[in-house]
Amino acid sequence: SQQGEEDPQALSIQEGENATMNCSYKTSINNLQWYRQNSGRGLVHLILIRSNEREKHSGRLRVTLDTSKKSSSLLITASRAADTASYFCATVHGSSNTGKLIFGQGTTLQVKP
Amino acid sequence: DTEVTQTPKHLVMGMTNKKSLKCEQHMGHRAMYWYKQKAKKPPELMFVYSYEKLSINESVPSRFSPECPNSSLLNLHLHALQPEDSALYLCASSQEQGVRNEQFFGPGTRLTVL
Repeated sequence: SQQGEEDPQALSIQEGENATMNCSYKTSINNLQWYRQNSGRGLVHLILIRSNEREKHSGRLRVTLDTSKKSSSLLITASRAADTASYFCATVHGSSNTGKLIFGQGTTLQVKP
Repeated sequence: DTEVTQTPKHLVMGMTNKKSLKCEQHMGHRAMYWYKQKAKKPPELMFVYSYEKLSINESVPSRFSPECPNSSLLNLHLHALQPEDSALYLCASSQEQGVRNEQFFGPGTRLTVL
């Protein structure tokens, strides 16, 4: 079963605004990753945060991880029309070495110019 | 080269056809993956190859047959598919199979089964 659940399912904002997406999961994890997918194409890896990290930055992206609440958030600052895409969190199980990614349901982000 | 390529981009096939999807990477990665993604759903893992050996089969029906001829290539052979198998099929690779490895995805093959 899918481990990650994301909210909101859909988000529509104006260019320049910030976008925040949340992900919750159920079991212990080794790391949590965020991916972007443009309109039915392949996924692009955005950022990986390990279970012993609380916050990570990459350009306009900020990811937080709260293992006590089993949740993560992705913040995109100063959004652009090109950020329009679906965003998925994916977890890697804590005790597994299979590398199996379990994806959340995704958030569809629309950034209006 | 940090790219995973997949061919064809689109495929339409009948239920009695036999076809193959191809995936290639030249990043020296030793783990390769097949995922299936239905519309508006997240990707679901089908198979994992590690060092050219099948490592994980997520109870996929036998009408899907994976093959890893060498460390750069991954095929998915299709036979006697059903209309519900219509989906986007994504290939991915990572340096190794394991918890710390980022996966690089190809653009996918959009499959329609008539």
